[in-house]
Amino acid sequence: AQSVTQLDSHVSVSEGTPVLLRCNYSSSYSPSLFWYVQHPNKGLQLLLKYTSAATLVKGINGFEAEFKKSETSFHLTKPSAHMSDAAEYFCVVSDRPGNTPLVFGKGTRLSVIA
Amino acid sequence: DSGVTQTPKHLITATGQRVTLRCSPRSGDLSVYWYQQSLDQGLQFLIQYYNGEERAKGNILERFSAQQFPDLHSELNLSSLELGDSALYFCASSVGDRGNEQFFGPGTRLTVL
Repeated sequence: AQSVTQLDSHVSVSEGTPVLLRCNYSSSYSPSLFWYVQHPNKGLQLLLKYTSAATLVKGINGFEAEFKKSETSFHLTKPSAHMSDAAEYFCVVSDRPGNTPLVFGKGTRLSVIA
Repeated sequence: DSGVTQTPKHLITATGQRVTLRCSPRSGDLSVYWYQQSLDQGLQFLIQYYNGEERAKGNILERFSAQQFPDLHSELNLSSLELGDSALYFCASSVGDRGNEQFFGPGTRLTVL
């Protein structure tokens, strides 16, 4: 069965410093992996996705993530945090290539301090 | 704007009542997914429809049901409501039926008093 673990429930960074949000997954197959962002009182927006092409995936707003099969990780990074990055971030896995729904991590709340 | 619409945005009702949440997918998307987001359970998949047929089922209670209509819009029916059903309910849509990139609506916030 597929599962995803977000290692930090809350991360706080200063504006202009790097962001690292950690995610580990478990999958019996070759997974598809996603990061979604949810701003307060908004729906979820796709940041980036990995679907077995390049292991370093670039997303919107300067975010990127690296798929590391040996470590079963898919950490999200950004070189320089902006105040507008403050939000909830979800790591998501889709297991088999069939009709498998997405499985969401519990989320990491990112705070950005001025 | 994802192109997925949900109505209503907010719903306040009493225990024991029944409500219907509505979702219109993006133009061209055949799959509709329903999710429940609560503080204690996080974001949980409820049910998926693809082109009018139920395709996958998650942690959906028997008091809840859904359907997808020929025009591809979907409705989630919640009955015999309990306080614990208070949550944000999201609808998402995708082109195919294989856990592709999903586009989420803004959600319906349900409050059961």
